[in-house]
Amino acid sequence: GDSVTQMEGPVTLSEEAFLTINCTYTATGYPSLFWYVQYPGEGLQLLLKATKADDKGSNKGFEATYRKETTSFHLEKGSVQVSDSAVYFCALSSSNTGNQFYFGTGTSLTVIP
Amino acid sequence: NAGVTQTPKFQVLKTGQSMTLQCAQDMNHEYMSWYRQDPGMGLRLIHYSVGAGITDQGEVPNGYNVSRSTTEDFPLRLLSAAPSQTSVYFCASSYSGSRNEKLFFGSGTQLSVL
Repeated sequence: GDSVTQMEGPVTLSEEAFLTINCTYTATGYPSLFWYVQYPGEGLQLLLKATKADDKGSNKGFEATYRKETTSFHLEKGSVQVSDSAVYFCALSSSNTGNQFYFGTGTSLTVIP
Repeated sequence: NAGVTQTPKFQVLKTGQSMTLQCAQDMNHEYMSWYRQDPGMGLRLIHYSVGAGITDQGEVPNGYNVSRSTTEDFPLRLLSAAPSQTSVYFCASSYSGSRNEKLFFGSGTQLSVL
């Protein structure tokens, strides 16, 4: 069935470093793709999304491009801050999943000053 | 501006005990769902509902029951708790359950079964 695979963590970066968190998907159709973020002690919240091929989602300096040719939706940020420390989840939803969301395993990011 | 409210935040049970995790939303969302979060497993869907009186199973439904008698509430019942149900549980909702809609999450319930 449809699924996402996310790079394992944890990831530790210095402030102002460049961030990439890899996410690839497996799907027979055209899923919608999402990045959710979980700050310590909180529930998940939507960071960005893309609903069709070549769409770019962006929010708070984060970006991800829906690439059908490589079945990827990698999360990037040019300059991370300490406040970006959180767990990041890639997710998909499609007609094959009955519109239900399937999440990756999460990648923990720690940004040190 | 409450959003999705989960209670309790923490719970410790003994094997075989029963309990209900509460979830309420005040956004008039038709779609509600329950996930469990385990280390290395991400979030896995337990049960979901697309409206009052309608529920369906997700990826890992065994050991859990749900009902949806009102739009606002979607409780999750553990009838006989097992150590394998030790996890963090999240309730999430969206307006209609469309695949492009944003999910709104509660802050979670941390459950330990001894």
